[in-house]
Amino acid sequence: DTAVSQTPKYLVTQMGNDKSIKCEQNLGHDTMYWYKQDSKKFLKIMFSYNNKELIINETVPNRFSPKSPDKAHLNLHINSLELGDSAVYFCASSQTTGAISYNEQFFGPGTRLTVL
Amino acid sequence: GDSVTQMEGPVTLSEEAFLTINCTYTATGYPSLFWYVQYPGEGLQLLLKATKADDKGSNKGFEATYRKETTSFHLEKGSVQVSDSAVYFCALSDYLQGAQKLVFGQGTRLTINP
Repeated sequence: DTAVSQTPKYLVTQMGNDKSIKCEQNLGHDTMYWYKQDSKKFLKIMFSYNNKELIINETVPNRFSPKSPDKAHLNLHINSLELGDSAVYFCASSQTTGAISYNEQFFGPGTRLTVL
Repeated sequence: GDSVTQMEGPVTLSEEAFLTINCTYTATGYPSLFWYVQYPGEGLQLLLKATKADDKGSNKGFEATYRKETTSFHLEKGSVQVSDSAVYFCALSDYLQGAQKLVFGQGTRLTINP
């Protein structure tokens, strides 16, 4: 199936640990994103990559480091996890062509991170 | 910066009731507007969109009209079903640093009772 996929779906870990979340899209899109959804369901963009280049970094702590090995993958590594990092993290992708303002973003199923 | 405000939830309705979820926005330019839906345990799916003033987006019986004069994009459905129970997000598309960025409202949880 063509889609945006994320692994793992659930991640439970201790404070201070380092963890990674992986995202892959097989839609042929050139832009990928990470969003964070907090416990109140509020969604906020964290990063955006276009053709493996970081183009949006929304004042995210530098403990969060995205990495895009190729156009189809955008991984999120988090160092020294804190309680406040507990959230659902969504990956998304879109194709940046023409009038980009209305290009649909396709979302992955989310990764629920719980920091104990 | 740009922002989106949705009516606070949760909203609980009976099946076949009329639904309105209010959404207003603040933007410096002329954004595109979207409604996304999140079913329990799933990611977001695009429900409908409108790219310019007076455009009407529609899908699965849902409709929303881009009203520039009132900066609104209210979601409506004439007769809701139990399967419409989900969280609904209004969003606008901002263009920042050469990339599209979606700015979301806070989400409205909708529960439809049989």
